[in-house]
This record gives sequence, structure tokens and C-alpha cells, in this order.
Amino acid sequence: GNSVTQMEGPVTLSEEAFLTINCTYTATGYPSLFWYVQYPGEGLQLLLKATKADDKGSNKGFEATYRKETTSFHLEKGSVQVSDSAVYFCALSDRANTGNQFYFGTGTSLTVIP
Amino acid sequence: DSGVTQTPKHLITATGQRVTLRCSPRSGDLSVYWYQQSLDQGLQFLIHYYNGEERAKGNILERFSAQQFPDLHSELNLSSLELGDSALYFCASSTGLAGNEQFFGPGTRLTVL
Repeated sequence: GNSVTQMEGPVTLSEEAFLTINCTYTATGYPSLFWYVQYPGEGLQLLLKATKADDKGSNKGFEATYRKETTSFHLEKGSVQVSDSAVYFCALSDRANTGNQFYFGTGTSLTVIP
Repeated sequence: DSGVTQTPKHLITATGQRVTLRCSPRSGDLSVYWYQQSLDQGLQFLIHYYNGEERAKGNILERFSAQQFPDLHSELNLSSLELGDSALYFCASSTGLAGNEQFFGPGTRLTVL
């Protein structure tokens, strides 16, 4: 079946530190992979996506590369800011699944301190 | 603003009651998804509708039901409410079926007393 395993949180970093949030997946078909971000009191927003192996998604300084050989989609940012404090969700959508069900990880809470 | 609207924003009710949550998808989106987010369970997929038809079911209780109307808005009905049903309920929409990103609404916070 399909599933997403995400790095446990919470994560606390100082401003300008390097961020990595690990995400690995299991999929029966050919998934698209996503990172969503949820700021306090808000809904989830798409941060970046990748639709096939070796694709790199990027947005707002965040990057993630679709690695089929390691079934991973780790989120990275070179220099975090206080405004990046949020909960980050890794997700997959399996195109082979006609219901287009999304599978979300459990979320990783990030706090960036000045 | 994602373009997905949800009403009401907050709902407080008592155990045993029934409530209806409403979602309007982005203009042109045919798919609507419902999720439940609670502190202990994380984000749980409930159900997916595409152009009025149910397409996938997740961890949705029998006390819960949903439908998508011809104008593509959707309603999630929760009945015989229990304390454990207190959570944030999100609706999301997407353009098609497979592989497309979902756009989330702001959520409805349900409190069952």
C-alpha cells in the first residue's frame, strides 16, 4: 500500500541554520510527491512538488528532490528564518490510484528562534 | 487565499448532536476532499468526491457522511457526535483526479462539549 513516513518533531533551530526534514515513502504506482506547510491557525498550503523521479521541487528557498532509489523526498533549506516556523507535511498522490487519495505524513513542527 | 471556502469557521455543539460542514471548492475544481485533523491522530483523510461521485474513502466513521452537489460544493455531515470528534475539519479541492496538488480551505473547528 501507500504510506509516508516523516521525521518526528518538534524541531527547533536558530535563525540562519540549515534545515532538513526527512520523508520516505512507500507507493504501489508512480506517485507525485508534495510538501505542504501549515502556519498557525491556517489551512495547509502547497510548498513544493515533484511529479517524477529526479525532479527537484523548489519554492521560497526550500528544496526537495524526488529520489526513487531511496524512496525519499527530504525537505531542505539553507538558512531558515523565524517566519518559517510552521508544521511541514510530506504527502504523496498515487496516479495509479483512480481515487487520487493523498497520503500525508504526521507532520513535523519547526520552530525557528532569533 | 486558496480559493476554497469553508463554513462555519467555528462550531460548538453537544454530544449526540448532528452538524453539517460546508465547503465550496476553487472555481473549476471538480474534486473535493475532506480531512480531519486532531492532536492525537494527525491529518486523516476522510473521503473524496469527484464531480458528484464518491471516489475514495479513508478513515471515515459510519456516523459521518458526505455528498457533493451539482454545483460542486460539498457537505460533511457528522451525527451522534462524541467528545472525540472535536477536531479541525479541512476541505481541499483539486482540478482532476490523479497527481494534482490540493488546495486547502481554512478549516472548520468543531468543539463537542
